[in-house]
Amino acid sequence: QVQLVESGGGVVQSGGSLTLSCAASGFRFSDYGMHWVRQVSGKGLEWLAFIRYDGRFQHYPESADGRFTISRDNSKNKVYLQMSSLRPEDTALYYCAKIMATTVVTDFDYWGQGTLVTVSS
Amino acid sequence: QSALTQPPSASGSPGQSLTISCTGSNTDIGEYDFVSWYQQFPGRAPKLLIYEVTKRPSGVPDRFSGSKSGNTASLTVSGLQAEDEAHYYCGSYGGTKNLILFGGGTKLTVL
Repeated sequence: QVQLVESGGGVVQSGGSLTLSCAASGFRFSDYGMHWVRQVSGKGLEWLAFIRYDGRFQHYPESADGRFTISRDNSKNKVYLQMSSLRPEDTALYYCAKIMATTVVTDFDYWGQGTLVTVSS
Repeated sequence: QSALTQPPSASGSPGQSLTISCTGSNTDIGEYDFVSWYQQFPGRAPKLLIYEVTKRPSGVPDRFSGSKSGNTASLTVSGLQAEDEAHYYCGSYGGTKNLILFGGGTKLTVL
């Protein structure tokens, strides 16, 4: 069965950096694009980044300020989110999610359980 | 502020039908048939309920249905059950500038 397991979250000081990992299993990882989404406690979902199945295309929201970078290693079945210059407002639960079909990037059929990032001031 | 607008709350009695709206613009919902809906229980990850406006993944009850008119998408829950009490989020393709847009979420309460 499909499993996505995030790791790498924790407490970091404002201005610090963190790299999140998402380990995938149960499907042909190299065939599917992957996303990162975050959720502030009690709030809604915020899309952060997408990476194509082969890692050669990444996309971020127009409002992104370049502090987050998505990457993947298909040999390890992992996707990563590098975060730098972290701010208290980045405190959230970070999810990785798999797209449902190889040709449609908008439907997330599997999500991990999330990894919590807390940025202290 | 979320790019897509949902009512913050909705409620209905068991057995009733209820519709949650998701309003975007003519550059996202109005232009593309890539609207999805997610159900989220407290402490759990979101679950895909509807994709490409009207399609249901296998295992999702047919009580859940999706539709779209102009810039507004809708999720209808028929025959409300207590177990439907959750948060519901819409998502849409936003074009090449913002690939994915989400709504702010709607908390569904079954009275």
